Amino acid sequence: QQPVQSPQAVILREGEDAVINCSSSKALYSVHWYRQKHGEAPVFLMILLKGGEQKGHDKISASFNEKKQQSSLYLTASQLSYSGTYFCGTAGNNNDMRFGAGTRLTVKP
Amino acid sequence: DTGVSQDPRHKITKRGQNVTFRCDPISEHNRLYWYRQTLGQGPEFLTYFQNEAQLEKSRLLSDRFSAERPKGSFSTLEIQRTEQGDSAMYLCASSSPNTQYFGPGTRLTVL
Repeated sequence: QQPVQSPQAVILREGEDAVINCSSSKALYSVHWYRQKHGEAPVFLMILLKGGEQKGHDKISASFNEKKQQSSLYLTASQLSYSGTYFCGTAGNNNDMRFGAGTRLTVKP
Repeated sequence: DTGVSQDPRHKITKRGQNVTFRCDPISEHNRLYWYRQTLGQGPEFLTYFQNEAQLEKSRLLSDRFSAERPKGSFSTLEIQRTEQGDSAMYLCASSSPNTQYFGPGTRLTVL
C-alpha cells in the first residue's frame, strides 16, 4: 500500500527544474506532498484532492491523475532552499495515510 | 512552529521499560495521526484518530503499542516493554480536510 516515488535522488544546479513522481497501487482520494530537512519534521507543501486538479505554490506545483493513481511534484527554477527529502503521502476514502520512501533533492550553487 | 507540540522531544530508556509520549494538535483539527520514522525512510503509519475514535491501527503495530485520545484533544502513545527496534522518531500529525501538519517529533532511544 506504500506509494512508490521516483527518482530516489536528484542533484540539480540552482535554477534548474525537477519532477518527482508518486504512484500508488490503490484508488486514491488525496495526495499530500512534504519536504523534510535533516533532523527536522516534514513540512506540509500542498494537498491535492480527487478531481485531477493542479496546485501551485510559488515555483512549486503538483498534479494529481486519479485515474492513473499518480501525482507529480514540479519544482521550477530551483533554489538552494529547495534541498531536502520530498515525500508524497497518499490516502484513500478512509483517510488512511501512507508515505513513500522519499526523493532526496540536492540543489548546488 | 506548526502549532502541533510533542512532549518529550527526546527520550532515552532501557530495554523493557514503558514509555509514553504526548501530542497536542491544532485545536480545530479533528484528525490526529501517529507515525514512526527511522533514518532514511518515510514516515510509517501507526494509528489514526478522528476526534476521540481510533479509526485505524497499523497491522505492523504489536500489542505493546497503544494510543488514546480522550475527549478528542491531546493524544498519548504508549510503548510497553520497549525493545531496541523501537528506537525511532515518533511523529504526530494534526489534520484538517485540506492540511496536515507534523509536530517536531519525539526521538526515542532504547538502550
